[in-house]
Amino acid sequence: EAQVTQNPRYLITVTGKKLTVTCSQNMNHEYMSWYRQDPGLGLRQIYYSMNVEVTDKGDVPEGYKVSRKEKRNFPLILESPSPNQTSLYFCASSSPTLSNTEAFFGQGTRLTVV
Amino acid sequence: LAKTTQPISMDSYEGQEVNITCSHNNIATNDYITWYQQFPSQGPRFIIQGYKTKVTNEVASLFIPADRKSSTLSLPRVSLSDTAVYYCLVGSRMDSSYKLIFGSGTRLLVRP
Repeated sequence: EAQVTQNPRYLITVTGKKLTVTCSQNMNHEYMSWYRQDPGLGLRQIYYSMNVEVTDKGDVPEGYKVSRKEKRNFPLILESPSPNQTSLYFCASSSPTLSNTEAFFGQGTRLTVV
Repeated sequence: LAKTTQPISMDSYEGQEVNITCSHNNIATNDYITWYQQFPSQGPRFIIQGYKTKVTNEVASLFIPADRKSSTLSLPRVSLSDTAVYYCLVGSRMDSSYKLIFGSGTRLLVRP
């Protein structure tokens, strides 16, 4: 089954404790990206990657890092989480070769930083 | 990327047809129109994409007038499970693939 898998689904952590949210896709997609969703602010892009070793900032990259060492994985790293990073996070993947360029989203990771 | 305007919310009843209109006055020549659906605490799900005239799939239809300054997502015979937020996105085919810009969306409530 084609899917984007994020882990963990839920995470509560303390301020300053480094964490990684993993994202993996099994569709051989070139493009992957991370979004956060906050009430009243909608979905905002954090980082995106157009291929292995190619990453770029989205609209709200501050406080986040990403890496794309393999095509299928695109982890989101919070080196020193702060309470304002409490949010619902989504990973997405897509391929420019598809006729309709739809993006596939993961199930989401609900992060709480206390 | 072109800015889009949608109604904040809509109400409907089971079995009715629902039409959600999106305004995108500044759409560029190479922009496509894409609609996503999102249920609470789930990732958005692609519904349909089009460039002009009419596109239909097993889920919905997308109507785009000749000037392309607006588009209408049509959901036939909605059910309770169609209650969700619907987003209209406009951008080039490449941008629409990896740099999605979500607006506020339209919150559709389907009543029994």
